[in-house]
Amino acid sequence: DADVTQTPRNRITKTGKRIMLECSQTKGHDRMYWYRQDPGLGLRLIYYSFDVKDINKGEISDGYSVSRQAQAKFSLSLESAIPNQTALYFCATSDPGLAGSSYNEQFFGPGTRLTVL
Amino acid sequence: DAKTTQPNSMESNEEEPVHLPCNHSTISGTDYIHWYRQLPSQGPEYVIHGLTSNVNNRMASLAIAEDRKSSTLILHRATLRDAAVYYCILRVNNAGNMLTFGGGTRLMVKP
Repeated sequence: DADVTQTPRNRITKTGKRIMLECSQTKGHDRMYWYRQDPGLGLRLIYYSFDVKDINKGEISDGYSVSRQAQAKFSLSLESAIPNQTALYFCATSDPGLAGSSYNEQFFGPGTRLTVL
Repeated sequence: DAKTTQPNSMESNEEEPVHLPCNHSTISGTDYIHWYRQLPSQGPEYVIHGLTSNVNNRMASLAIAEDRKSSTLILHRATLRDAAVYYCILRVNNAGNMLTFGGGTRLMVKP
């Protein structure tokens, strides 16, 4: 079974609709992240959470909100979807590791392809 | 944030070594060099990381220049499965593990 799962895997919606993308993980990690990827480009950070009570904006948070319902679940919402939010969305997790740990590998889900018409 | 520069694409023949370069001339003393790759239709996956010394793992080797302004990811024997986009990322130590992705290098492997 996959350690990081995302639902749905594909979604087509219309402008103005509210959309929620969900991410679940079984790795027991405290840290979770949401990224978006546009065609031919790298990933950009939308929001991240270091634990259930800690939510932080990333590089491109406008138009998005998140909810950390539990350690294992981190949801991304588009309050009123617009066409330029059409993209591939990835959830990721990491473990803070030991104090001063240097690398904290991130583990990514399979992605959600969102199309806003 | 320190930036990285990578070629947009590279080609390799199967079973030959591949050297993927990355320039990071504005790297600071505490930035770690990370490499991730993204296979088609998948999320990125960790490949390797380092600070100053060269590093080896089961997937690849990382050669870091003495001045740390550049690094090279080495795949010792490319396979068709290694065809992916490879991202060179500088991670600021103690910055909450933020990864800032650039455009990466698309590696094509020819049989």
